[in-house]
Amino acid sequence: LAKTTQPISMDSYEGQEVNITCSHNNIATNDYITWYQQFPSQGPRFIIQGYKTKVTNEVASLFIPADRKSSTLSLPRVSLSDTAVYYCLVGLRYGGSQGNLIFGKGTKLSVKP
Amino acid sequence: SQTIHQWPATLVQPVGSPLSLECTVEGTSNPNLYWYRQAAGRGLQLLFYSVGIGQISSEVPQNLSASRPQDRQFILSSKKLLLSDSGFYLCAWQENPYNEQFFGPGTRLTVL
Repeated sequence: LAKTTQPISMDSYEGQEVNITCSHNNIATNDYITWYQQFPSQGPRFIIQGYKTKVTNEVASLFIPADRKSSTLSLPRVSLSDTAVYYCLVGLRYGGSQGNLIFGKGTKLSVKP
Repeated sequence: SQTIHQWPATLVQPVGSPLSLECTVEGTSNPNLYWYRQAAGRGLQLLFYSVGIGQISSEVPQNLSASRPQDRQFILSSKKLLLSDSGFYLCAWQENPYNEQFFGPGTRLTVL
């Protein structure tokens, strides 16, 4: 599975838009890009998944350039409750036949009032 | 709707003692089941996954083992705990390979 690189931490303030970028230079043709959110002492929660261009849901947007070597998770108007660790994963859709998800260390987002 | 349960929520065990963590899923049939471990300040590490009763695949060699005695029950065990077994243990289920994984509330294990 392709290795991902993302910032260890980010700080933001309430009401701001937050963009977290993930690099995945070795992404394969069949790979999807998936983002999970994890609050302290809880399991990760699926946020969004995409293959190319732009995907938007009620929680976030995912921007993927044409070369797919990176992706950006965009959180509009963050609140204190968005403080969490965000993981970028690259692999077969939702993890493939075995569902194997390779989690890195993620990006710790801290939202301040 | 589907729900996933894990217990206990927290556990403190001495080195060398046995371990049994249980995970059950409700509201679905024949799910894929997973055990992950998250050490302090680190990402999640896949330990075991199962695609059916009695079918267990191990991802990391260690002193842990897993069993799936029933369709919606997944158990993580150890005969003798090590200090390095401390961590946050998460169970997850997946309806099929084309759906996302849903994680349980986790078990915080401290080995002293």
